[in-house]
Amino acid sequence: RKEVEQDPGPFNVPEGATVAFNCTYSNSASQSFFWYRQDCRKEPKLLMSVYSSGNEDGRFTAQLNRASQYISLLIRDSKLSDSATYLCVVNKRDSSYKLIFGSGTRLLVRP
Amino acid sequence: EAGVTQFPSHSVIEKGQTVTLRCDPISGHDNLYWYRRVMGKEIKFLLHFVKESKQDESGMPNNRFLAERTGGTYSTLKVQPAELEDSGVYFCASSLGQGKMNTEAFFGQGTRLTVV
Repeated sequence: RKEVEQDPGPFNVPEGATVAFNCTYSNSASQSFFWYRQDCRKEPKLLMSVYSSGNEDGRFTAQLNRASQYISLLIRDSKLSDSATYLCVVNKRDSSYKLIFGSGTRLLVRP
Repeated sequence: EAGVTQFPSHSVIEKGQTVTLRCDPISGHDNLYWYRRVMGKEIKFLLHFVKESKQDESGMPNNRFLAERTGGTYSTLKVQPAELEDSGVYFCASSLGQGKMNTEAFFGQGTRLTVV
């Protein structure tokens, strides 16, 4: 079983739509949680950290449920420029600070 | 300010040859990481340097891979001899140190390695 599981998609949505991605992680020792965005043939870039209380950044809302080991990302009013792969990433509480990546969910926003 | 830079951007080598990838982290970042994405798989951790010391190399696939970080600045990842399954995109990332566990890791654009 993968440490971080994501639906690979693709999610194909029209501009203006609301879309939600989900992610589960297997290691209860995971300490930090993130959503990264990766454009085709580019490097991953941090989109937002995810906190237990939930957090919002403009059109993006992230939620964390530690009991269910579940992370979500909600994108409202989708833009064409949101088309990318969204990576769910966790970090275990150890000295190495290494990131554990999901395979990513691909989003296509169409005009 | 320059971000994380990696060289080369692409490399095509024959099986059995040696390749050395280079990463220049953001100036002042103590933490340097190597990750790899092989075709169809998720990005996976290879190893972590804190300054010049290897903090965690649990993700290194085998002893054909050797990473160094001279003087705690740039890092190299050498693959010798390369095998077909080593093909993939190798990412380097860096982050601030000083015990700040959750500081953002910035990624380089990666080196796309193809072994033929």
